[in-house]
Amino acid sequence: AQRVTQPEKLLSVFKGAPVELKCNYSYSGSPELFWYVQYSRQRLQLLLRHISRESIKGFTADLNKGETSFHLKKPFAQEEDSAMYYCAPLGAGGYQKVTFGTGTKLQVIP
Amino acid sequence: SAVISQKPSRDICQRGTSLTIQCQVDSQVTMMFWYRQQPGQSLTLIATANQGSEATYESGFVIDKFPISRPNLTFSTLTVSNMSPEDSSIYLCSVEDSAVYYGYTFGSGTRLTVV
Repeated sequence: AQRVTQPEKLLSVFKGAPVELKCNYSYSGSPELFWYVQYSRQRLQLLLRHISRESIKGFTADLNKGETSFHLKKPFAQEEDSAMYYCAPLGAGGYQKVTFGTGTKLQVIP
Repeated sequence: SAVISQKPSRDICQRGTSLTIQCQVDSQVTMMFWYRQQPGQSLTLIATANQGSEATYESGFVIDKFPISRPNLTFSTLTVSNMSPEDSSIYLCSVEDSAVYYGYTFGSGTRLTVV
């Protein structure tokens, strides 16, 4: 069965410090992996996807198939990064569906 | 990106009653997804709604409790039936965003409180 693990429920960092939000997956095949973010009082939105190898708002995420990880990183945290972050692999098989991790709340301390 | 209008945004309901949540998309989409987010929890997929066929429910969710309609390619409803306090959650609809490869767009959510 597909499983996503985000080990930290809450991650507090100081402004300007590096951020790493961990995500490990248990999966067969080659998953499509995404990070979603939910800022306070806003709807859940896509942050980035591994396939595009993009950097969004300074965040990057590298798929490590050996470690089955897809950690989200940013070198210097900003206060506006405070939000709830969800790691989400796209399912393989009959139809696409997204399985969400438990989420990590990032709190950037000024 | 697709834009989803979801309503109501919140409601407080008596136990034993039913609430129907609506999602309207500004473009035609093949599949619509309904999620539940219980307090302090992550999102759990309830079902996938295809136009013209019965919804596909995930383990732990049944049609009698969460009937879904999908009358056309831009609209879907989820009904939470015979509610109990355990149904108090945020309910969200989602569609695949054609502008983003396999990315998904979400409605603003319906915060349901059952008393």
